[in-house]
Amino acid sequence: DAGVIQSPRHEVTEMGQEVTLRCKPISGHNSLFWYRQTMMRGLELLIYFNNNVPIDDSGMPEDRFSAKMPNASFSTLKIQPSEPRDSAVYFCASKQGVDEKLFFGSGTQLSVL
Amino acid sequence: GESVGLHLPTLSVQEGDNSIINCAYSNSASDYFIWYKQESGKGPQFIIDIRSNMDKRQGQRVTVLLNKTVKHLSLQIAATQPGDSAVYFCADPSSGQNFVFGPGTRLSVLP
Repeated sequence: DAGVIQSPRHEVTEMGQEVTLRCKPISGHNSLFWYRQTMMRGLELLIYFNNNVPIDDSGMPEDRFSAKMPNASFSTLKIQPSEPRDSAVYFCASKQGVDEKLFFGSGTQLSVL
Repeated sequence: GESVGLHLPTLSVQEGDNSIINCAYSNSASDYFIWYKQESGKGPQFIIDIRSNMDKRQGQRVTVLLNKTVKHLSLQIAATQPGDSAVYFCADPSSGQNFVFGPGTRLSVLP
């Protein structure tokens, strides 16, 4: 299995632009998580899905952030409009079942200028 | 709410020595714990896990100890190597469906 696949690996954009991050979870996994990691705040959970349904989005910082999971093999995290304070590494992770280990993608390094 | 926390944010050890990274948890009902290692520029990677019916589990050069009485777990790395330099996270997925991580401990291996 290729693991959790995220794209792009790096994204540099200007303030005000729309950013879309993509994730393909491991086949057969039914839970998908989006995290943001910064030096100041560490690894923050933004939102997670179970069986393609958003369960908890309380970590989404504000309305500029949205996430979708149209099917079991694809999810997006969108920021519109982006701001410099959104600069961070965004990780997607997936797991199968309850009380199971989480597998992470390699992350997307986002820089908003 | 429930939380997972680490005692030490940074740890420096001499190459070849043993490392011990600690983690406290608050949910007495937690029954499953996982340690992750995150190297620079990479996502967190699974190292070892332990369920509450055990108090010790060993892997290759790593051992996790669980003390349910004081709600504490530790990760021991034997004969620490430069490649062990990373940030280590403990996770308590049984606290809820959301997978929340503590701040992590940075392990630096000195030559």
